[in-house]
Amino acid sequence: EADIYQTPRYLVIGTGKKITLECSQTMGHDKMYWYQQDPGMELHLIHYSYGVNSTEKGDLSSESTVSRIRTEHFPLTLESARPSHTSQYLCASSVDRAYNEKLFFGSGTQLSVL
Amino acid sequence: GNSVTQMEGPVTLSEEAFLTINCTYTATGYPSLFWYVQYPGEGLQLLLKATKADDKGSNKGFEATYRKETTSFHLEKGSVQVSDSAVYFCALSGTGGFKTIFGAGTRLFVKA
Repeated sequence: EADIYQTPRYLVIGTGKKITLECSQTMGHDKMYWYQQDPGMELHLIHYSYGVNSTEKGDLSSESTVSRIRTEHFPLTLESARPSHTSQYLCASSVDRAYNEKLFFGSGTQLSVL
Repeated sequence: GNSVTQMEGPVTLSEEAFLTINCTYTATGYPSLFWYVQYPGEGLQLLLKATKADDKGSNKGFEATYRKETTSFHLEKGSVQVSDSAVYFCALSGTGGFKTIFGAGTRLFVKA
């Protein structure tokens, strides 16, 4: 099974706080992703990385930032959280094989900004 | 551009009923096709996949056949269980980029 971990599972914070959502994988995957999942369930890609020191913005504009200093670690940071950031955030990783990309997902972080 | 369209939910069935969730796609080239499932409170996990035309993916009683002529990848199960209640996502990848494209998801409720 997937060895990809997200912490915390749930986070409730006040507006203006800085937060970091953690994501780690032990599979040695080069590619990692952050998705935002809205209440209607649709997934929106907000960031991705092809490897160490590689980060790209996804299809949905996001005020968050990411870093990839180590292969196994892909944290997401919000410098100043707002109620509009309330959402489920899912981290995923994959082996770098084009045309047959199976994604492994973490359990997600449910963020609520008051 | 590339896209995935799946039937809107929620779909509500009684236990042991037959399930079909429709999925069609638009893509250039020869994508791989996937069904992912998301159980309550969890992330997505791969349910099944097919990598070329006429391939059939199957897992846990679910099946889907890659139909290039109709650009479809419909998910079916002959007899659903309460434990199948979840959100199902159709997806494709490998169409000239490395990012997977997901459909909007279909929520399934199975009643005992």
